[in-house]
Amino acid sequence: GAGVSQSPSNKVTEKGKDVELRCDPISGHTALYWYRQSLGQGLEFLIYFQGNSAPDKSGLPSDRFSAERTGGSVSTLTIQRTQQEDSAVYLCASSLVEGGPSSGYTFGSGTRLTVV
Amino acid sequence: GQNIDQPTEMTATEGAIVQINCTYQTSGFNGLFWYQQHAGEAPTFLSYNVLDGLEEKGRFSSFLSRSKGYSYLLLKELQMKDSASYLCAVRDSDNYGQNFVFGPGTRLSVLP
Repeated sequence: GAGVSQSPSNKVTEKGKDVELRCDPISGHTALYWYRQSLGQGLEFLIYFQGNSAPDKSGLPSDRFSAERTGGSVSTLTIQRTQQEDSAVYLCASSLVEGGPSSGYTFGSGTRLTVV
Repeated sequence: GQNIDQPTEMTATEGAIVQINCTYQTSGFNGLFWYQQHAGEAPTFLSYNVLDGLEEKGRFSSFLSRSKGYSYLLLKELQMKDSASYLCAVRDSDNYGQNFVFGPGTRLSVLP
């Protein structure tokens, strides 16, 4: 597609439930990132996928968080047994690494997760 | 450690000039980026600096001093639509696929 697409745009879930957030990156972008943005906070790195390489999971805050990227395209971020502190906007971004050092990210519009 | 500082909030008047500062301390450096984020929307790319000096792009300019770990974003002829958060981000590695380090953002309010 023309941009990075994320779904759902909003999600309200009960504490303890599992949620899945989806990201569809720009076609041809080999790098995909997940970030979390809490109210008034900066973007917190969660996980990074690059082609067929093993993902960099160093930003995942706990083992309740996991992500996969199927076929080098669509990615799903799963949060198990959600807690209230998981409430945030989850942003996905993709980039064309081969575009050179000036290549920034293209972000999706995010999924606003509210855990009640 | 990795640390990026920006002012939390700024206010300016329509038509004026505003400078948003960013200081950084990162383990490596391979470029500094500025993003604009309107409330409820995705951040969008504004500018990129990797060498010292000023990069100008229309009403927006970005400056970098690597020796001082300092950058600023300059917005001229402010318009109401410039009210947004401005995020400073540093790519801390020469592996272009590595994650960025983002600052907390500066919320700019443009008043009539």
